[in-house]
Amino acid sequence: KAGVTQTPRYLIKTRGQQVTLSCSPISGHRSVSWYQQTPGQGLQFLFEYFSETQRNKGNFPGRFSGRQFSNSRSEMNVSTLELGDSALYLCASSLSAGVGTGELFFGEGSRLTVL
Amino acid sequence: TQLLEQSPQFLSIQEGENLTVYCNSSSVFSSLQWYRQEPGEGPVLLVTVVTGGEVKKLKRLTFQFGDARKDSSLHITAAQPGDTGLYLCAGAYNYGQNFVFGPGTRLSVLP
Repeated sequence: KAGVTQTPRYLIKTRGQQVTLSCSPISGHRSVSWYQQTPGQGLQFLFEYFSETQRNKGNFPGRFSGRQFSNSRSEMNVSTLELGDSALYLCASSLSAGVGTGELFFGEGSRLTVL
Repeated sequence: TQLLEQSPQFLSIQEGENLTVYCNSSSVFSSLQWYRQEPGEGPVLLVTVVTGGEVKKLKRLTFQFGDARKDSSLHITAAQPGDTGLYLCAGAYNYGQNFVFGPGTRLSVLP
């Protein structure tokens, strides 16, 4: 079956702009989590959506937001971009929400560069 | 804040050598996972461990979960260039919570 699809794969923005990233989970998966990966901080949890509801949220400012649609596809938005937002943004889908033993299936990520 | 530590941060070895990487925390995990991430790709799950003292083997990879469920190790026997990648451990501290990822060990296996 098709894996997790993230678009766009690469994008370049300037400070102050905003960006929207998209994630299509594996068919049948209802949970979508977003992570930010940087060389210095590693993989940091942004938020998780399950059945269109935000279930958990990491320690990121309000400039980072997300949503999930009825077909489980998810988007995340970053407003007023800062240089430090340059990172690989990874989306992961799973069958259930935060059960602690379930497998996370990651997409290839969207690499954001902020100039 | 619950932190996962991984060591070493970087490891470069020759093909055929054995290696062990470590993951530890000051808090007890309800479960722990190991992932491998190759350049340009997302992490891929290798194993999940949930019971203290548990040992799981996946071909040349052996995973061990500490008795106190605060630490884990990954041992690779006869490493191959295909083992090159970033090895991430991820711990769940409570059932129902999202996984927290460690900073990873970047492994390079030279032919």
